[in-house]
Amino acid sequence: DTEMTQSPSTLSASVGDRVTITCRASQSIGLYLNWYQHQPGKAPRLLIHRASTLESGVPSRFSGSGSGTDFTLTISSLQPEDYAIYYCQRCDVYPYTFGQGTKVEMK
Amino acid sequence: EVQLVDSGGGLVQPGGSLRLSCAASGFSFGSYWMSWVRQAPGKGLEWVANIQQDGSRKHYVDSVKGRFSLSRDNAKNSVYLQMNNLTAADTAVYYCVRDGRYSSTWFDFWGPGTQVTVSS
Repeated sequence: DTEMTQSPSTLSASVGDRVTITCRASQSIGLYLNWYQHQPGKAPRLLIHRASTLESGVPSRFSGSGSGTDFTLTISSLQPEDYAIYYCQRCDVYPYTFGQGTKVEMK
Repeated sequence: EVQLVDSGGGLVQPGGSLRLSCAASGFSFGSYWMSWVRQAPGKGLEWVANIQQDGSRKHYVDSVKGRFSLSRDNAKNSVYLQMNNLTAADTAVYYCVRDGRYSSTWFDFWGPGTQVTVSS
């Protein structure tokens, strides 16, 4: 199975900071990569699909890039509501593996 | 408005069974793949299984193959996850999610989740 590795596992940042989260696949997955945001007590939320397509209703400060094995989620200016855990997920072949998650916490 | 309401979780003994249900509304249910995703305590998200629009194709993560079974009733806008021979490792919050329309792609709507606890 293709492993998905996110870095860092935890990221400390302040409101207004630019935040970058990396997701690496153990083999090429093309553009079959999605990003989700998960806040405690809530259901996860789709942010980005197919590596770089912003989901409807998601603020434009979120962006995704990459292809093949290396992908990035960027938050251009962190807002208070963005403190959460972020997951990447491959959707090329089964099983649809998630990364282990990156916790964005208050600095 | 798209809504998914998952239910059926609870406390069950090891080796027991549970049937989770997911009632969908606000979209053409029969046109979408549906998936289940779980999150064990202190762990990340794990995709569990999905089912094609007409129920003809289903896929499962290896750890549940032979124990879990997905089905759907498009007339009732519902999908079901039958879970048998449960173990402590199956303890998790289970989320019903809407998958892709033309193929299994991304999970754009999620239910609130239902807690499954396997313990003696």
